[in-house]
This record gives sequence, C-alpha cells and structure tokens, in this order.
Amino acid sequence: AQSVSQHNHHVILSEAASLELGCNYSYGGTVNLFWYVQYPGQHLQLLLKYFSGDPLVKGIKGFEAEFIKSKFSFNLRKPSVQWSDTAEYFCAASGSARQLTFGSGTQLTVLP
Amino acid sequence: KAGVTQTPRYLIKTRGQQVTLSCSPISGHRSVSWYQQTPGQGLQFLFEYFSETQRNKGNFPGRFSGRQFSNSRSEMNVSTLELGDSALYLCASSPIAGGADTQYFGPGTRLTVL
Repeated sequence: AQSVSQHNHHVILSEAASLELGCNYSYGGTVNLFWYVQYPGQHLQLLLKYFSGDPLVKGIKGFEAEFIKSKFSFNLRKPSVQWSDTAEYFCAASGSARQLTFGSGTQLTVLP
Repeated sequence: KAGVTQTPRYLIKTRGQQVTLSCSPISGHRSVSWYQQTPGQGLQFLFEYFSETQRNKGNFPGRFSGRQFSNSRSEMNVSTLELGDSALYLCASSPIAGGADTQYFGPGTRLTVL
C-alpha cells in the first residue's frame, strides 16, 4: 500500500536555526513528491515538488528538499528559519494517478 | 489567475441531512480532486474528476459522491450526514490529465455536523 510518513509531529525552533523535516514514502513504481505548507488560517500552498531529474529541489521562501531514492526519503530543509515560517508542513506523494497520499503533517513553531 | 474557489466556506448541518459543496478550479484546469482533512485522520483523498468522469476514488462510503460539469466546476455531495463527517473539505485542481502533475488547493469548506 502507498504511504507517506512524517516522524516529527511537532518541531520547535528559535529564529535563525536550521530546519530539517523528515519524510519517507512507500510507493511502487514512479513517484512524484511534494511538500505543502498550511499557514494558520490559510489554505494549503505548494512549497516545492520533485518529478524527476536533479534530486535537489529548490522551492519558494528558501526551502529545499532532497530526493534520496535509496532511502525512500524526501526531507525538507531550510538553513535559517523565521518566525513567519510557523505553520504545518505536509509531505505528499503521487504515482501514475493524480491521487495524493499525505503524511500526517509536522507542526513547526518558530520562536522569535 | 484566480485561485481555486470553494463555496460555502462554512456550513453547519445536523445528522441525517445532506450537503452539497462546490468547487471552481483555476481557469484552464480540467482535473478536480477532493480531500477530507480531520485532526484524527489527516488529509485523505476522496475522488478525482476529469472530463466530467470520476477517474479515481478513495476509500470512503457511497454516501460521498461528486460530479463535474462541462466547465470543470465540481460539486461534492454527502448524504445522510454523520457526526464523523465534520471536517475541512478541500478541493484541488490541476491542469492536465496523465503524467506528473501539480495540484493547487482551495481554502476549503468547513463542515460541522451537529
């Protein structure tokens, strides 16, 4: 069965700290990977995506993610977080169909 | 371009009633998917429509149904509402059918069942 796992449920960081959120997937065949963010009171927004090619993907707001096929991972990183990055982050995957399978989400709290 | 719009934004119903939610995709997008978001189950796929046809369906009971119109707008219907149907219902649209694709989400309709 297809699944996406996010092991960090709640992460608390101080401003300027570095961020890495874990995401592991279990998918047969070709996999497309996404990170979405949900800011308080706002709708899900796409941060970045990986379809193929360069495994290091850069997204909006200074976020990046690395696809490591051997580890079935797609971890999200940011070198220096800001208070405005406080939000819930979702890793998601799709295969040949457009159906997205989401992880359980990671709540990031950045302290000023 | 305007984003995905969903109406209504908030809805309160009682058990046993039925409800219809509406979604207008981004202009030019032909695929519409629906998701349910709850604190306990997270984000779960309901179904996807393209060219007025249901293409994929998630693991939800038959009380959940949908349709898509020729202008790509979509509606979702839930009949015989249960308390557990209280959730944020999200609509997402994507531009193409087949191959790698990106879904763009609307603000959602928050349904409360009393």
